[in-house]
Amino acid sequence: GENVEQHPSTLSVQEGDSAVIKCTYSDSASNYFPWYKQELGKRPQLIIDIRSNVGEKKDQRIAVTLNKTAKHFSLHITETQPEDSAVYFCVSSPGASKIIFGSGTRLSIRP
Amino acid sequence: GAGVSQSPRYKVAKRGQDVALRCDPISGHVSLFWYQQALGQGPEFLTYFQNEAQLDKSGLPSDRFFAERPEGSVSTLKIQRTQQEDSAVYLCASSLEGLDNEQFFGPGTRLTVL
Repeated sequence: GENVEQHPSTLSVQEGDSAVIKCTYSDSASNYFPWYKQELGKRPQLIIDIRSNVGEKKDQRIAVTLNKTAKHFSLHITETQPEDSAVYFCVSSPGASKIIFGSGTRLSIRP
Repeated sequence: GAGVSQSPRYKVAKRGQDVALRCDPISGHVSLFWYQQALGQGPEFLTYFQNEAQLDKSGLPSDRFFAERPEGSVSTLKIQRTQQEDSAVYLCASSLEGLDNEQFFGPGTRLTVL
């Protein structure tokens, strides 16, 4: 069936360094790929999204890349700050009526 | 404007009890989603409404789970004969329309089944 694999499950980086989280999806019909950030005890919030007609999108320190051929998409956070510490989820929307979240990456920023 | 709200925020039920969880989406949002999030896991899709029509309920774990959105606004997720494995946070989200728009999540209802 459709699935989304997300790696790594945990990631610790030095403040100021970059963080990269990768996802692989299975359904080639997927065409919308958002990323959500969930802080401890809070609700998920969208941080960036990309559609299948675009290969890369950037918003300040956050960027997302998409390789439709390989069915990969990645989140890049540069110049990491303490407030970037959270769990990040990639999402795929296969078919017309379903949403699949990745298993999440717990990002910790070391001071 | 007001975001997505859910009630109750916390619910403790004895095994076998029925529970009803409410979601008030953002006004004007056509699409509404329910998710189940177990501790330390990602949200698992349960069901999806477009207005009052339930377009997908493939994620509902069993026939004890039932969702409705009779007037295309407020939605209720009902769980009958609760089991311990139903303990989780139930998240509701709404979007302007469809699966390819930003979803706005509610704060969730934490259900604990004893």
